[in-house]
Amino acid sequence: GNSVTQMEGPVTLSEEAFLTINCTYTATGYPSLFWYVQYPGEGLQLLLKATKADDKGSNKGFEATYRKETTSFHLEKGSVQVSDSAVYFCALHGGSYIPTFGRGTSLIVHP
Amino acid sequence: DVKVTQSSRYLVKRTGEKVFLECVQDMDHENMFWYRQDPGLGLRLIYFSYDVKMKEKGDIPEGYSVSREKKERFSLILESASTNQTSMYLCASSGTNYGYTFGSGTRLTVV
Repeated sequence: GNSVTQMEGPVTLSEEAFLTINCTYTATGYPSLFWYVQYPGEGLQLLLKATKADDKGSNKGFEATYRKETTSFHLEKGSVQVSDSAVYFCALHGGSYIPTFGRGTSLIVHP
Repeated sequence: DVKVTQSSRYLVKRTGEKVFLECVQDMDHENMFWYRQDPGLGLRLIYFSYDVKMKEKGDIPEGYSVSREKKERFSLILESASTNQTSMYLCASSGTNYGYTFGSGTRLTVV
């Protein structure tokens, strides 16, 4: 079956540092890949997505590239802010409308 | 702005009570979902529905039921609440482009 593996958190950074959150997946076929963000006390929000190999999704300074050869979709941001502190979820949809989620990675950004 | 609205942000119920969690979406989405989120366990799918009056069990349906009488509304029912059902409950909907829209969540405490 499909699976998504994220790096365990928390990831703790200083403001303006570079962020990478690793995500790798196992899936049959050609899934679409997603990053969701959950701010404290809120539900998940779609952050970005990529629907085919080599696509780059981007939003709010975050980027992720769909790498079929390494089955990865790592989330990056060049300069994080305190307001980026949240939990980030990687997910895939593999032809079914039910996605497979990673367990989430908590990001804490200090001033 | 498209929305998924959950009726309560915080709820406290007693053991043995019947509990209703309501979710309404305004996007005319066919698919609706209920998840629970617990620390260290990520999101776990309870039930989902792909059409009015249709329902399917997810990974952890025991102790729960659902109702979908209208396309925009999907209700989660705890038949007899227990303390191990204390959790954050998230409703989501999706259309044909796979991306999910989540509600803000209901934090349920069973005492």
